[in-house]
Amino acid sequence: GAVVSQHPSWVICKSGTSVKIECRSLDFQATTMFWYRQFPKQSLMLMATSNEGSKATYEQGVEKDKFLINHASLTLSTLTVTSAHPEDSSFYICSARSRLAGYNEQFFGPGTRLTVL
Amino acid sequence: QKEVEQNSGPLSVPEGAIASLNCTYSDRGSQSFFWYRQYSGKSPELIMFIYSNGDKEDGRFTAQLNKASQYVSLLIRDSQPSDSATYLCASTGGFKTIFGAGTRLFVKA
Repeated sequence: GAVVSQHPSWVICKSGTSVKIECRSLDFQATTMFWYRQFPKQSLMLMATSNEGSKATYEQGVEKDKFLINHASLTLSTLTVTSAHPEDSSFYICSARSRLAGYNEQFFGPGTRLTVL
Repeated sequence: QKEVEQNSGPLSVPEGAIASLNCTYSDRGSQSFFWYRQYSGKSPELIMFIYSNGDKEDGRFTAQLNKASQYVSLLIRDSQPSDSATYLCASTGGFKTIFGAGTRLFVKA
């Protein structure tokens, strides 16, 4: 149980294009999903928190117009990197918290490695 | 600012030894604590969580919590080379989970 998937697992795109990353909770309903970014040999950086049916809450310094988050259902959240640039190249990881989670544990997806040329 | 502090390591132990990973947290309102393992190039994987003072054992892993000292630890018995990874400590007092930067563990064969 508690499986989270992400698609795609890796993507290479040209500078200026937009990339959409999907995060799905496969066997549970996720009231809250989180989006993280991780640069090589650095710690997780929380980008935003999304709750089903409401607007995402972005962390300080994260541009909401550049990183569009949609949490349309209890099992799906998407992150769209708009007008991507090489500095956006990173490992993007989503996590989901079950509506039944008694202790607020988060389950992580496998991550999406984005390379912007 | 709420923080979770971990020694970045690397912590190097021989195969078969006990690896001891430590973590302190600043928010006294934290209620649940988690240990995640992250292999290089992969996403974090939940190993254990603990919410009561004392020890919690699961196989070769033991989590320890001391709320008075705001201290959490993870012991890995009979360490194996496959345990070599970065271990993330996390705490939550409600909505947001705060992650430490992680401790790199290296188990020498």
